[in-house]
Parts: sequence; C-alpha cells; structure tokens
Amino acid sequence: EVQLVQSGAEVKKPGESLKISCKGSGYSFTSYWIGWVRQMPGKGLEWMGIIYPGDSDTRYSPSFQGQVTISADKSISTAYLQWSSLKASDTAMYYCARQRGDFGGDFDYWGQGTLVTVSS
Amino acid sequence: QSALTQPASVSGSPGQSITISCTGTSSDVGGYNYVSWYQQHPGKAPKLMIYDVSNRPSGVSNRFSGSKSGNTASLTISGLQAEDEADYYCSSYTSSSTSYVFGTGTKVTVL
Repeated sequence: EVQLVQSGAEVKKPGESLKISCKGSGYSFTSYWIGWVRQMPGKGLEWMGIIYPGDSDTRYSPSFQGQVTISADKSISTAYLQWSSLKASDTAMYYCARQRGDFGGDFDYWGQGTLVTVSS
Repeated sequence: QSALTQPASVSGSPGQSITISCTGTSSDVGGYNYVSWYQQHPGKAPKLMIYDVSNRPSGVSNRFSGSKSGNTASLTISGLQAEDEADYYCSSYTSSSTSYVFGTGTKVTVL
C-alpha cells in the first residue's frame, strides 16, 4: 500500500528555521516525483515544487523559488521542505504528494498534511 | 504565476448534473493535455479525481468526467450525491514557468 506520512504539527516564531518531512513507503521512492502543496487557512491549493528523489532534480514554482528548499534523502525514502527564516505568512497546511507520472503533474497519493504555525 | 480561474461556487440538487469550469490560457490549459481535478473535503487531504483531462484513476466513480475545449477544462459530476459536497480544484502544467498551477477552487453544495 502506497503511503506518505508527514511529520507533526509545528509552532515556530518568525525568523526561526524549520524542516518538515514526508516519508514514502509501499512503492519505489526513487522512481516518482514528490511534490509539496501549500494551503493557507481558508484558502486554495498552491503548487510549490517537486523533486525526483532518484537524482534530486528539483523544480520550483516562481512564487516559491528562493523562499523554501525542497530536498530528499533516498536512503530513508524521505522528502523535505525547509525554511531558513520563517514569516507569519508561512502559516499554512503543507501537503506532500506523489506525482503519478513523469509529465502529467497530477498527484495520486497525498500525505496527511503538516500544519505550520508561525507566531510571535 | 496566476491561478487558473474557477467559479467560486456551484450547487445542485441530488441526482442532477453540475459542471465546474477551469479557465486558463494557451500556455497552460489550452496548450497541454495535462489537466487534473481534485476533490477536497473539509480537514482532509485532496483526492485525485481526473488526470490528463479526462482519465479517472482506479476507484473513482464514473459519475465524474472531465473534458477540455480551447483554454477551458471542465469537470462534470452526474447523479449528484450528498457525499460530493466538497471543494474542487483543477490543475495544469504551465509552460510560462515550466511548472504547475492550481485553480482558484470551487465549492460544490448539494441542496
């Protein structure tokens, strides 16, 4: 059974750093792109970027380029999303998801989400 | 990059059919057959309902169907049921940034 299990909720202060994780199981982790999606409170979905764990090829949305870093450790089947200096506007639910194919961009399996709250 | 445009809300009675539109440009929806649709119930992760414009993943009801004409994609839900009440999002590849973009989202209400 394909599963993506994300790390738990985080409460941070502005300016702090953070790295959240997404562990894949039940499939070949290195053969599928993993993406990250932001959902701010009461708002819609936003595509942040994707990574191919097989070779760490990474693509970012222009809206998130330079704001976050996506990485992966294929040895432990885990993808990461990290911030070096959080802002209050980073408060959101973050989902990781597996991209079904190489080109379609659709996500067929999703993690349960990680709620990040940034508040002083 | 701009989100694809969806109506904020669509409603229908049980048993009826409804259609949700997703309007983009020739750089995204109109230029590629990489449109997908997601259903999201409150407090839950999104669920893939349609990929590559009109394909249903295994396990998704055949009451859900997708199509595209020009720069607008559509999701049709036939035989509307109470469980279909949720938010729906489209997504497309966009060549303007060689990435992907979601739609603004549509709240479906079953009357």
